[in-house]
Amino acid sequence: QSVLTQPPSASGTPGQRVTISCSGSSSNIGSNYVYWYQQLPGTAPKLLIYKNSQRPSGVPDRFSGSKSGTSASLAISGLRSEDEADYYCAAWDDSLSGYVFGTGTKVTVL
Amino acid sequence: EVQLVESGGGLVQPGASLIISCAASGFTFSSYAMSWVRQAPGKGLEWVSVISGSGGSTYYADSVKGRFIISRDTSDNTLYLQMISLRAEDTAIYYCVKILSGDWYAGFDYWGQGTLVTVSS
Repeated sequence: QSVLTQPPSASGTPGQRVTISCSGSSSNIGSNYVYWYQQLPGTAPKLLIYKNSQRPSGVPDRFSGSKSGTSASLAISGLRSEDEADYYCAAWDDSLSGYVFGTGTKVTVL
Repeated sequence: EVQLVESGGGLVQPGASLIISCAASGFTFSSYAMSWVRQAPGKGLEWVSVISGSGGSTYYADSVKGRFIISRDTSDNTLYLQMISLRAEDTAIYYCVKILSGDWYAGFDYWGQGTLVTVSS
């Protein structure tokens, strides 16, 4: 069961900026860090952003994350064809005592 | 280099039991919490269970509570998921996932390639 809400799709042309939102509640995003994952077709998810806005080594700085209140967002600037993938947000939920994922957003590069 | 290699998936009948495992390498296994996350065919990600670095704390999604048990063996760096009373809705790719620290709430970083569990008669 997905507790975090994301738009089902987002798209842009090469070079454009795309933003994906992730809406939660006070028990998850409002009180814990947000993480973002990229899942390319047929592969396992990969960590893109941790602790709201931190990038692991190797992740291009075209990817950035932010959080405000009970919502978070992932921005992809300078969109490239290899960014076509599904993107998921996640957070620990204090009420559920478990992790919750977003519904997922499919990014298409036009 | 962190490596997580799952095994043990397969086709089982409804009501059956199955144990899947994950061989971990490239990091100090006992220092990190570990988790299982699943993905039904064509669907999104669903968290299943997490175990702390010490193994002393475990948490489960409501959908599997009472049927699945997560455990770890630090002597051979292996994570397990014991599944009983399997249902058709448990059909999914099961990913072994490393947590960013020993704390179970610290977020996922490295993912294995997954093992497919199919529950069908």
